[in-house]
Amino acid sequence: GAGVSQTPSNKVTEKGKYVELRCDPISGHTALYWYRQSLGQGPEFLIYFQGTGAADDSGLPNDRFFAVRPEGSVSTLKIQRTERGDSAVYLCASSSRTSGSLSDTQYFGPGTRLTVL
Amino acid sequence: AQSVTQLDSHVSVSEGTPVLLRCNYSSSYSPSLFWYVQHPNKGLQLLLKYTSAATLVKGINGFEAEFKKSETSFHLTKPSAHMSDAAEYFCVVSGRSSASKIIFGSGTRLSIRP
Repeated sequence: GAGVSQTPSNKVTEKGKYVELRCDPISGHTALYWYRQSLGQGPEFLIYFQGTGAADDSGLPNDRFFAVRPEGSVSTLKIQRTERGDSAVYLCASSSRTSGSLSDTQYFGPGTRLTVL
Repeated sequence: AQSVTQLDSHVSVSEGTPVLLRCNYSSSYSPSLFWYVQHPNKGLQLLLKYTSAATLVKGINGFEAEFKKSETSFHLTKPSAHMSDAAEYFCVVSGRSSASKIIFGSGTRLSIRP
């Protein structure tokens, strides 16, 4: 069956521009997570959705970052006024459970590599 | 507060020999612990997880890990390495109910020599 997909796979932008990264979770998964993985580091939690609402956005680094999931399926991570430090791989994961814990097995997408020049 | 430390950034073993990837954690309450594997250009895949059941956890591809509370460790092992095991491995600690307490280690790159 189809796994988690993310588009684009690569995104190159200039400093100050706006970008959108898309995540298509596994069909029927109610929980969706965004992570950021910088070079040589482990993934860092950004935000968690349960259905359409952001249940926990405490990992978003600042107000330039925003994410939506309007219909409880596809999610978009939006970054305004991009900075060179935003360059990283952005990972999305989905889960079928509702507790919000990583004890619920998460299925990860391949990520979007964002490069800010 | 929670934290996780992967003690080796790179481990290299010969094919057919045992694998040991070390992970120590810190948690103010009983944690859930996981190992994930990341192959190049592929998504993270769950190898195994510990959630307070048996302390010896068996995962996919012949990997297992033992939760040792007294040592605050959750080391990953495999009796015999295969070339396909070459990848990046992440140890993860999590609270039981809050996604915001998911902490990934910095990763261990496993290389397999023919």
